[in-house]
Amino acid sequence: EPEVTQTPSHQVTQMGQEVILRCVPISNHLYFYWYRQILGQKVEFLVSFYNNEISEKSEIFDDQFSVERPDGSNFTLKIRSTKLEDSAMYFCASSLTGNTEAFFGQGTRLTVV
Amino acid sequence: TQLLEQSPQFLSIQEGENLTVYCNSSSVFSSLQWYRQEPGEGPVLLVTVVTGGEVKKLKRLTFQFGDARKDSSLHITAAQTGDTGLYLCAGLYDKVIFGPGTSLSVIP
Repeated sequence: EPEVTQTPSHQVTQMGQEVILRCVPISNHLYFYWYRQILGQKVEFLVSFYNNEISEKSEIFDDQFSVERPDGSNFTLKIRSTKLEDSAMYFCASSLTGNTEAFFGQGTRLTVV
Repeated sequence: TQLLEQSPQFLSIQEGENLTVYCNSSSVFSSLQWYRQEPGEGPVLLVTVVTGGEVKKLKRLTFQFGDARKDSSLHITAAQTGDTGLYLCAGLYDKVIFGPGTSLSVIP
């Protein structure tokens, strides 16, 4: 069964460092998303991406964040200068269209120290 | 802003009992999904409901979408310890918007 895969599963980084979280969406899906879940809190939308550009982003997705689809299969989230409060689970998701259900990866646990 | 509320926030029941969790919003959604999330893992899609009034069954789980497409419920019959987890409702409105979740604990 097709699935969304994310790497790494856990990343520890020092405050101020750049991190890149990687995702391989389901191959025929056209819409890609990043979500964040701080420990004990709800899953929050960060950004959606379609046709090689951001289609929507939340207020969390500030200038420190960027997304890219560098090739036909990967979808990445970059945090330029990590802060302690960026520590969270980051989930990638993809959907066939913008109005069909999204399928989520297993997440990357980011710990900023 | 589309907001989803879920109740109860926490639920602890004995194995074999029935339970219902609720999801409510002031917004109309084109569809609504229920996900289950285990600690440290991603949300796993259980079901999508699209039509107002729709009822879907998945073994012991029954999902209902309200007539106005603003609310939904998840009913579990004869809960098992394997049902323990965080149940998230999510509305689809150009993107998936999650509710805060109901944390279910089924005690043997």
